Amino acid sequence: EAQVTQNPRYLITVTGKKLTVTCSQNMNHEYMSWYRQDPGLGLRQIYYSMNVEVTDKGDVPEGYKVSRKEKRNFPLILESPSPNQTSLYFCASRPPGPREQYFGPGTRLTVT
Amino acid sequence: DAKTTQPNSMESNEEEPVHLPCNHSTISGTDYIHWYRQLPSQGPEYVIHGLTSNVNNRMASLAIAEDRKSSTLILHRATLRDAAVYYCIRGPGNTPLVFGKGTRLSVIA
Repeated sequence: EAQVTQNPRYLITVTGKKLTVTCSQNMNHEYMSWYRQDPGLGLRQIYYSMNVEVTDKGDVPEGYKVSRKEKRNFPLILESPSPNQTSLYFCASRPPGPREQYFGPGTRLTVT
Repeated sequence: DAKTTQPNSMESNEEEPVHLPCNHSTISGTDYIHWYRQLPSQGPEYVIHGLTSNVNNRMASLAIAEDRKSSTLILHRATLRDAAVYYCIRGPGNTPLVFGKGTRLSVIA
């Protein structure tokens, strides 16, 4: 089954404790993205990658890092999480061109 | 900058057609129009996309104005399961999709 998986689905952590949210897709897609969703603000893009070793900032990259060492994986790293990074995070992937983008189920992160 | 304008919310009766409008007055010639929807507690899912011509698929129809400055997503018979936030996005095929706040569709039984 074609899918984007994210782990963990839920995470409660404390300020400053480094964490990684993993994202993996099994469709051999070149493009991958991370979004965060907050009430009233819609979906905002954090980082995206157009292929292995190619990443770029989205609209809200501050406080986040990503890496794309393999085509299928695109982890989101929070080196020193802060409460304003409490949010619902979605990973997505798609092939190049105007093609369907697939989203993961989301990771709900709470930073206290 | 989502580059599209949609109403914040709309309401429809079950089993009636729904027309969800989207304005993209600054659209360029290479921009596609994409529609996604997000059901409660789920990630967004693809609905339809088009460039110039009207498009139909099993989920919906997309009507694109002749000047391409606006489009309408048409759900032919709304069901309760269609209650969601609908996002209209414009962009070239090879750039990331930038989502706005979308239109929250409520379906009344």
